[in-house]
Amino acid sequence: GAGVSQSPRYKVAKRGQDVALRCDPISGHVSLFWYQQALGQGPEFLTYFQNEAQLDKSGLPSDRFFAERPEGSVSTLKIQRTQQEDSAVYLCASSPRGTTNTEAFFGQGTRLTVV
Amino acid sequence: AQSVTQLDSQVPVFEEAPVELRCNYSSSVSVYLFWYVQYPNQGLQLLLKYLSGSTLVKGINGFEAEFNKSQTSFHLRKPSVHISDTAEYFCAVSETQGAQKLVFGQGTRLTINP
Repeated sequence: GAGVSQSPRYKVAKRGQDVALRCDPISGHVSLFWYQQALGQGPEFLTYFQNEAQLDKSGLPSDRFFAERPEGSVSTLKIQRTQQEDSAVYLCASSPRGTTNTEAFFGQGTRLTVV
Repeated sequence: AQSVTQLDSQVPVFEEAPVELRCNYSSSVSVYLFWYVQYPNQGLQLLLKYLSGSTLVKGINGFEAEFNKSQTSFHLRKPSVHISDTAEYFCAVSETQGAQKLVFGQGTRLTINP
């Protein structure tokens, strides 16, 4: 497709359940970012990939959060043992280059609700 | 590290009135500046960006912003708003070197009243 695609759009998880969120970036884009957007807040950086290499994971809130991009295209954000505070919209963005990026293209996000 | 402050969480205006959404930032390194718009249940869409050069930047949908380095501000303006401009607006910065992850403000909800 022409844009960044995220699935599922909505996910309801019971507390303690593991979830996996998928991001299909724009074809050929080198950089991929994950952000977390809590209700009423701006997005906050979670992690960054350049191709398959995870170069920055400083924003991951705990070791329950794990992201991968094994072939340098599709990425998965996994959250283990979900907690209520994990409820948020998870946004994926991609950029065409590894550095000197001047525009990030965002997907529509996955809204995760932990009950 | 960078930080972004959007001074107004909500801005109500009447249709066809002018609007200004305020943004101030803090950074110890050189940054790029962005405004994104988020319509309900949608992702973020880039409105405009300042990279270098002219401090007055024009974007989509009739929006413009002015970079003021001395005041570390990047306020967004539109001379006449429409109902369709109702959305959440986010100011963001990124470092000019490195991966350019975005640091966002908390957002300003723009509500247009008929």
